Amino acid sequence: GAVVSQHPSRVICKSGTSVKIECRSLDFQATTMFWYRQFPKQSLMLMATSNEGSKATYEQGVEKDKFLINHASLTLSTLTVTSAHPEDSSFYICSALFQRGNDEQYFGPGTRLTVT
Amino acid sequence: AQTVTQSQPEMSVQEAETVTLSCTYDTSESNYYLFWYKQPPSRQMILVIRQEAYKQQNATENRFSVNFQKAAKSFSLKISDSQLGDTAMYFCAFSPFFGNEKLTFGTGTRLTIIP
Repeated sequence: GAVVSQHPSRVICKSGTSVKIECRSLDFQATTMFWYRQFPKQSLMLMATSNEGSKATYEQGVEKDKFLINHASLTLSTLTVTSAHPEDSSFYICSALFQRGNDEQYFGPGTRLTVT
Repeated sequence: AQTVTQSQPEMSVQEAETVTLSCTYDTSESNYYLFWYKQPPSRQMILVIRQEAYKQQNATENRFSVNFQKAAKSFSLKISDSQLGDTAMYFCAFSPFFGNEKLTFGTGTRLTIIP
């Protein structure tokens, strides 16, 4: 159990366009989801915490107007990269918090974004 | 702010041998949680083991165990009887909250198991 999916797995977009990434918890409800960014051969950096029904909480240095997060239901959070630029190219990973005593984050498989 | 340091960018070990991955951290919190995550080539992060700082006993999960030294702020991962499927990036992570919210990750250790 506790499966998290992301869609798409890979996306290529042109500079200046926007792209939406979906994160779904398939077999549990998640009031809290997280979005991370991972540069090549580097660690994961938390971008924001997404809570169902409320505004996301962004980490310091993350532009909230550029990385729009919507957690519209207990199983879906979306990250929209607006006006993408080549420096936004990265691996984006979401996770969902499965609260069952020992809370645990379950991670999605990630989305590789390439901006040309 | 918390920091997590993994000083071994890459390691390799023969299959069936034991390997230890190092992790140190810095925090002013008195209670917190430490984790080791595995990221295989598929890129999906998998929780390997977790340790609650108020528990003195080292956590163990099958072939995986930790050596938690709270005073030294050290949290190493030992993999016994290593298997080819253990080949992956391993990240040490810290959370100041119950559960594992607000994770801070180390830079990772790339572990290769040699047949």
